[in-house]
Amino acid sequence: DQQVKQNSPSLSVQEGRISILNCDYTNSMFDYFLWYKKYPAEGPTFLISISSIKDKNEDGRFTVFLNKSAKHLSLHIVPSQPGDSAVYFCAASHKKGSSNTGKLIFGQGTTLQVKP
Amino acid sequence: DGGITQSPKYLFRKEGQNVTLSCEQNLNHDAMYWYRQDPGQGLRLIYYSQIVNDFQKGDIAEGYSVSREKKESFPLTVTSAQKNPTAFYLCASMASSYNSPLHFGNGTRLTVT
Repeated sequence: DQQVKQNSPSLSVQEGRISILNCDYTNSMFDYFLWYKKYPAEGPTFLISISSIKDKNEDGRFTVFLNKSAKHLSLHIVPSQPGDSAVYFCAASHKKGSSNTGKLIFGQGTTLQVKP
Repeated sequence: DGGITQSPKYLFRKEGQNVTLSCEQNLNHDAMYWYRQDPGQGLRLIYYSQIVNDFQKGDIAEGYSVSREKKESFPLTVTSAQKNPTAFYLCASMASSYNSPLHFGNGTRLTVT
């Protein structure tokens, strides 16, 4: 039962162009979404997040869009740089009762390659 | 520098042996987590702890055990009952405030032969 899905295992873009990474989820209770970036043999690094009360959050070159009706979120990287080449994971969580357990459900990851 | 330290980075064990992975954080975070990553799969939650002396099973807890005797430390034991222990193990922590992100350590690669 994959509640968070990243259907594209890999993506290749040219330096300077836009990278769009997609993520779909099935659990309508999710109310907090995050994107992480991961290099080989290292831990994931937090990139950007969005609450379900918003539909867009921007931080520098990174923008996350949330479409609740479609249960879909995407990460846009503009302009893409070779150093952005990594595996990108989307993740989701939801409140349990009145506390946040912090449990994150991760997608399978998308490997982004940015070519110089 | 605040952060999460996992040691060792690489660990090799023979089948049938228990092994303990270390995770220490100096971020003063209340909650700590253990995830496992396998090729082509996302991170899967093994165990988590929101306060000292308390922890809960995640989605794939079978064959693993944890303890949380100190706020800073959350060691994971991979027992001989774990059928596929070879994986990349990631420890994470989170501040108690709602909607704060998880911070991850750099992982331990465990190989069991």
